[in-house]
Amino acid sequence: AAGVIQSPRHLIKEKRETATLKCYPIPRHDTVYWYQQGPGQDPQFLISFYEKMQSDKGSIPDRFSAQQFSDYHSELNMSSLELGDSALYFCASSLRVGEQFFGPGTRLTVL
Amino acid sequence: SQQGEEDPQALSIQEGENATMNCSYKTSINNLQWYRQNSGRGLVHLILIRSNEREKHSGRLRVTLDTSKKSSSLLITASRAADTASYFCATTPASGTYKYIFGTGTRLKVLA
Repeated sequence: AAGVIQSPRHLIKEKRETATLKCYPIPRHDTVYWYQQGPGQDPQFLISFYEKMQSDKGSIPDRFSAQQFSDYHSELNMSSLELGDSALYFCASSLRVGEQFFGPGTRLTVL
Repeated sequence: SQQGEEDPQALSIQEGENATMNCSYKTSINNLQWYRQNSGRGLVHLILIRSNEREKHSGRLRVTLDTSKKSSSLLITASRAADTASYFCATTPASGTYKYIFGTGTRLKVLA
Protein backbone atom coordinates (compact mmCIF):
# COMPACT_ATOMS: atom_id res chain seq x y z
CA ALA A 1 0.00 0.00 0.00
CA ALA A 2 1.17 3.52 -0.76
CA GLY A 3 2.62 5.42 2.17
CA VAL A 4 3.44 9.03 2.89
CA ILE A 5 6.44 10.18 0.89
CA GLN A 6 8.80 12.85 2.09
CA SER A 7 11.62 14.43 0.18
CA PRO A 8 14.42 14.90 0.56
CA ARG A 9 15.24 12.31 3.20
CA HIS A 10 18.36 14.19 4.26
CA LEU A 11 19.24 17.86 3.87
CA ILE A 12 22.27 19.83 4.94
CA LYS A 13 22.12 23.60 4.96
CA GLU A 14 24.17 26.48 6.25
CA LYS A 15 22.90 29.03 8.76
CA ARG A 16 20.68 31.70 7.23
CA GLU A 17 19.92 29.56 4.20
CA THR A 18 16.47 28.44 3.09
CA ALA A 19 15.11 24.90 2.94
CA THR A 20 11.99 23.40 1.40
CA LEU A 21 10.65 20.08 2.57
CA LYS A 22 8.03 18.22 0.58
CA CYS A 23 5.34 15.80 1.62
CA TYR A 24 3.17 13.62 -0.60
CA PRO A 25 0.22 12.19 1.33
CA ILE A 26 -1.37 8.83 0.90
CA PRO A 27 -3.73 8.95 -2.11
CA ARG A 28 -7.18 10.29 -1.22
CA HIS A 29 -5.99 11.69 2.10
CA ASP A 30 -7.06 15.31 2.42
CA THR A 31 -5.23 16.38 5.58
CA VAL A 32 -1.52 16.89 6.10
CA TYR A 33 0.33 17.51 9.37
CA TRP A 34 3.90 18.63 9.99
CA TYR A 35 5.87 17.74 13.11
CA GLN A 36 9.38 18.65 14.23
CA GLN A 37 11.47 16.34 16.40
CA GLY A 38 14.69 17.78 17.82
CA PRO A 39 17.51 15.49 19.00
CA GLY A 40 16.33 13.47 21.99
CA GLN A 41 12.99 15.25 21.96
CA ASP A 42 9.43 14.21 21.30
CA PRO A 43 7.74 15.24 18.05
CA GLN A 44 6.14 18.68 18.23
CA PHE A 45 3.19 19.66 16.09
CA LEU A 46 3.90 22.54 13.70
CA ILE A 47 0.97 23.02 11.38
CA SER A 48 -1.77 21.18 9.50
CA PHE A 49 -3.83 21.62 6.37
CA TYR A 50 -7.23 20.30 5.41
CA GLU A 51 -8.43 20.67 1.83
CA LYS A 52 -5.64 23.14 1.11
CA MET A 53 -6.56 25.44 3.98
CA GLN A 54 -4.59 25.77 7.21
CA SER A 55 -6.57 23.88 9.84
CA ASP A 56 -4.41 24.12 12.93
CA LYS A 57 -1.22 25.80 14.02
CA GLY A 58 1.25 24.77 16.66
CA SER A 59 4.70 25.92 17.64
CA ILE A 60 5.79 26.93 14.15
CA PRO A 61 8.31 29.80 14.00
CA ASP A 62 7.44 32.84 11.91
CA ARG A 63 10.44 31.98 9.71
CA PHE A 64 8.59 28.86 8.58
CA SER A 65 5.65 28.74 6.24
CA ALA A 66 3.75 25.91 4.67
CA GLN A 67 1.02 25.27 2.19
CA GLN A 68 -0.98 22.45 0.70
CA PHE A 69 -1.39 22.35 -3.05
CA SER A 70 -4.27 21.31 -5.30
CA ASP A 71 -2.84 17.78 -5.57
CA TYR A 72 -2.77 17.67 -1.73
CA HIS A 73 0.99 17.57 -1.46
CA SER A 74 2.44 19.98 1.05
CA GLU A 75 5.64 21.96 1.34
CA LEU A 76 7.28 23.35 4.43
CA ASN A 77 9.45 26.36 3.70
CA MET A 78 12.06 27.31 6.25
CA SER A 79 14.00 30.55 5.93
CA SER A 80 16.89 32.13 7.83
CA LEU A 81 17.83 28.72 9.15
CA GLU A 82 19.30 28.51 12.61
CA LEU A 83 21.36 25.77 14.25
CA GLY A 84 18.38 24.95 16.43
CA ASP A 85 16.32 24.06 13.37
CA SER A 86 18.36 20.87 12.99
CA ALA A 87 15.79 18.16 13.53
CA LEU A 88 13.78 15.36 12.03
CA TYR A 89 10.71 16.73 10.26
CA PHE A 90 7.77 14.38 9.92
CA CYS A 91 4.79 14.73 7.70
CA ALA A 92 1.62 12.75 8.36
CA SER A 93 -1.55 12.44 6.36
CA SER A 94 -5.08 11.38 7.16
CA LEU A 95 -8.63 11.43 6.00
CA ARG A 96 -10.10 14.37 7.91
CA VAL A 97 -10.75 12.79 11.29
CA GLY A 98 -8.94 9.55 10.79
CA GLU A 99 -5.69 8.08 11.99
CA GLN A 100 -2.54 9.88 10.95
CA PHE A 101 -0.01 7.95 8.90
CA PHE A 102 3.53 9.20 9.23
CA GLY A 103 6.18 9.52 6.56
CA PRO A 104 9.79 8.46 7.09
CA GLY A 105 10.88 11.99 7.92
CA THR A 106 13.40 14.46 6.54
CA ARG A 107 16.54 14.92 8.59
CA LEU A 108 17.65 18.54 8.38
CA THR A 109 21.11 19.47 9.55
CA VAL A 110 21.99 23.14 9.81
CA LEU A 111 25.72 23.89 9.97
CA SER B 1 4.06 21.95 28.73
CA GLN B 2 3.54 18.63 27.04
CA GLN B 3 0.18 16.93 27.02
CA GLY B 4 1.80 13.55 27.40
CA GLU B 5 4.47 12.53 29.84
CA GLU B 6 6.08 9.12 29.66
CA ASP B 7 7.26 7.19 32.64
CA PRO B 8 9.93 5.90 32.96
CA GLN B 9 12.10 7.90 30.60
CA ALA B 10 14.52 5.01 30.24
CA LEU B 11 14.10 1.31 30.91
CA SER B 12 16.60 -1.49 30.61
CA ILE B 13 15.48 -5.12 30.87
CA GLN B 14 16.61 -8.61 29.98
CA GLU B 15 15.25 -10.43 26.96
CA GLY B 16 12.15 -12.40 27.88
CA GLU B 17 11.06 -9.98 30.59
CA ASN B 18 8.00 -7.77 30.34
CA ALA B 19 8.32 -4.03 29.84
CA THR B 20 5.74 -1.57 31.08
CA MET B 21 5.68 2.06 30.04
CA ASN B 22 3.24 4.65 31.29
CA CYS B 23 1.88 7.82 29.78
CA SER B 24 -0.06 10.59 31.45
CA TYR B 25 -1.87 13.44 29.79
CA LYS B 26 -3.61 16.59 30.89
CA THR B 27 -6.77 17.22 28.91
CA SER B 28 -9.68 15.11 27.72
CA ILE B 29 -8.86 13.06 24.66
CA ASN B 30 -10.58 11.34 21.76
CA ASN B 31 -7.96 8.65 21.46
CA LEU B 32 -4.44 7.73 22.43
CA GLN B 33 -1.87 6.01 20.28
CA TRP B 34 1.45 4.38 20.94
CA TYR B 35 4.33 4.70 18.53
CA ARG B 36 7.74 3.13 18.34
CA GLN B 37 10.84 4.83 16.97
CA ASN B 38 14.20 3.23 16.32
CA SER B 39 17.13 5.55 16.94
CA GLY B 40 15.90 8.75 15.32
CA ARG B 41 14.17 7.02 12.45
CA GLY B 42 10.49 6.90 11.46
CA LEU B 43 7.50 6.57 13.74
CA VAL B 44 5.88 3.15 13.62
CA HIS B 45 2.27 3.00 14.72
CA LEU B 46 1.69 0.27 17.30
CA ILE B 47 -1.82 0.56 18.62
CA LEU B 48 -4.71 3.00 18.99
CA ILE B 49 -7.10 3.03 21.90
CA ARG B 50 -10.20 5.18 21.89
CA SER B 51 -11.43 7.12 24.88
CA ASN B 52 -14.33 4.72 25.41
CA GLU B 53 -12.05 1.68 25.48
CA ARG B 54 -10.21 0.44 28.55
CA GLU B 55 -7.90 -2.22 27.17
CA LYS B 56 -6.60 -3.36 23.84
CA HIS B 57 -4.31 -6.16 22.72
CA SER B 58 -2.17 -6.62 19.66
CA GLY B 59 0.21 -9.56 19.63
CA ARG B 60 2.65 -9.08 22.50
CA LEU B 61 1.32 -5.58 23.17
CA ARG B 62 -1.31 -4.70 25.73
CA VAL B 63 -2.51 -1.14 26.18
CA THR B 64 -4.74 0.13 28.95
CA LEU B 65 -6.42 3.49 29.23
CA ASP B 66 -7.75 5.07 32.40
CA THR B 67 -9.51 8.29 31.46
CA SER B 68 -10.33 9.09 35.08
CA LYS B 69 -6.61 9.18 35.84
CA LYS B 70 -5.70 10.50 32.39
CA SER B 71 -3.14 7.78 31.95
CA SER B 72 -2.28 4.86 29.72
CA SER B 73 0.16 2.01 29.91
CA LEU B 74 1.87 -0.06 27.26
CA LEU B 75 2.96 -3.56 28.20
CA ILE B 76 5.30 -5.50 25.97
CA THR B 77 5.42 -9.14 27.00
CA ALA B 78 8.30 -11.55 26.43
CA SER B 79 10.53 -8.75 25.18
CA ARG B 80 13.12 -9.29 22.48
CA ALA B 81 16.33 -7.44 21.66
CA ALA B 82 14.55 -6.15 18.55
CA ASP B 83 12.09 -4.30 20.79
CA THR B 84 14.90 -1.89 21.73
CA ALA B 85 13.56 1.52 20.69
CA SER B 86 11.90 4.67 21.98
CA TYR B 87 8.19 4.45 22.64
CA PHE B 88 5.90 7.47 22.51
CA CYS B 89 2.28 7.99 23.36
CA ALA B 90 0.35 10.52 21.31
CA THR B 91 -3.03 11.91 22.22
CA THR B 92 -5.71 13.59 20.17
CA PRO B 93 -7.38 16.22 22.36
CA ALA B 94 -11.16 16.23 22.54
CA SER B 95 -11.14 19.97 21.90
CA GLY B 96 -11.85 19.68 18.19
CA THR B 97 -8.28 19.79 16.99
CA TYR B 98 -6.85 16.75 15.23
CA LYS B 99 -3.18 17.30 15.92
CA TYR B 100 -1.29 14.72 17.91
CA ILE B 101 0.39 15.70 21.14
CA PHE B 102 3.32 13.46 21.88
CA GLY B 103 4.77 12.54 25.23
CA THR B 104 8.48 12.65 25.96
CA GLY B 105 9.04 8.98 25.21
CA THR B 106 10.50 6.01 27.01
CA ARG B 107 13.81 4.63 25.77
CA LEU B 108 13.63 0.87 26.10
CA LYS B 109 16.75 -1.25 25.94
CA VAL B 110 16.33 -5.01 25.85
CA LEU B 111 19.53 -6.88 26.63
CA ALA B 112 20.13 -10.19 24.93
